[in-house]
Amino acid sequence: AQSVSQHNHHVILSEAASLELGCNYSYGGTVNLFWYVQYPGQHLQLLLKYFSGDPLVKGIKGFEAEFIKSKFSFNLRKPSVQWSDTAEYFCAVNALGDDKIIFGKGTRLHILP
Amino acid sequence: KAGVTQTPRYLIKTRGQQVTLSCSPISGHRSVSWYQQTPGQGLQFLFEYFSETQRNKGNFPGRFSGRQFSNSRSEMNVSTLELGDSALYLCASSRNGETQYFGPGTRLLVL
Repeated sequence: AQSVSQHNHHVILSEAASLELGCNYSYGGTVNLFWYVQYPGQHLQLLLKYFSGDPLVKGIKGFEAEFIKSKFSFNLRKPSVQWSDTAEYFCAVNALGDDKIIFGKGTRLHILP
Repeated sequence: KAGVTQTPRYLIKTRGQQVTLSCSPISGHRSVSWYQQTPGQGLQFLFEYFSETQRNKGNFPGRFSGRQFSNSRSEMNVSTLELGDSALYLCASSRNGETQYFGPGTRLLVL
């Protein structure tokens, strides 16, 4: 069965700090990988996705993620965070062609102004 | 293009009652998935419908059911509500196995 593990439940950073949120998944086959973000009071939005090709994926708002197949990882990064990045971030995976998405427990990111 | 819409946005029910939630997918999307989001369990997959057929099912009891209509709109039903069913219920749509787009959710409170 697929599973997704997010390393940190809560992260607190100051503005301009660099961010890396860890995500590991468990599945033996081909997967699609996602990072979703949920800003306070808003609904879940897609930040970026990896289906195939270049393992370094760029998303919205300056976020990027790198798929490392050998490590079953898909870590999210941003070189310089802003207060507006305060949100909950979810890593997710689905098997190729399967609409069932398995989500990690989420990481609450709090940026201090 | 309009996003995924869910109705109602908020609902209060009492134990033992049943509830029906509605989801209208993005135009052209034929797949609709439902998720339950709670602080303790996070986001958990309920089921997925494609062309009026349930294609995938999560690990929830039979009190949770759903259906999809010919226009791709979907409903989910929870019967004999329990306190633990209090959650945000999210609907997501996609064309077919591609990126899912989420609605704002229906927040259900069971008293």
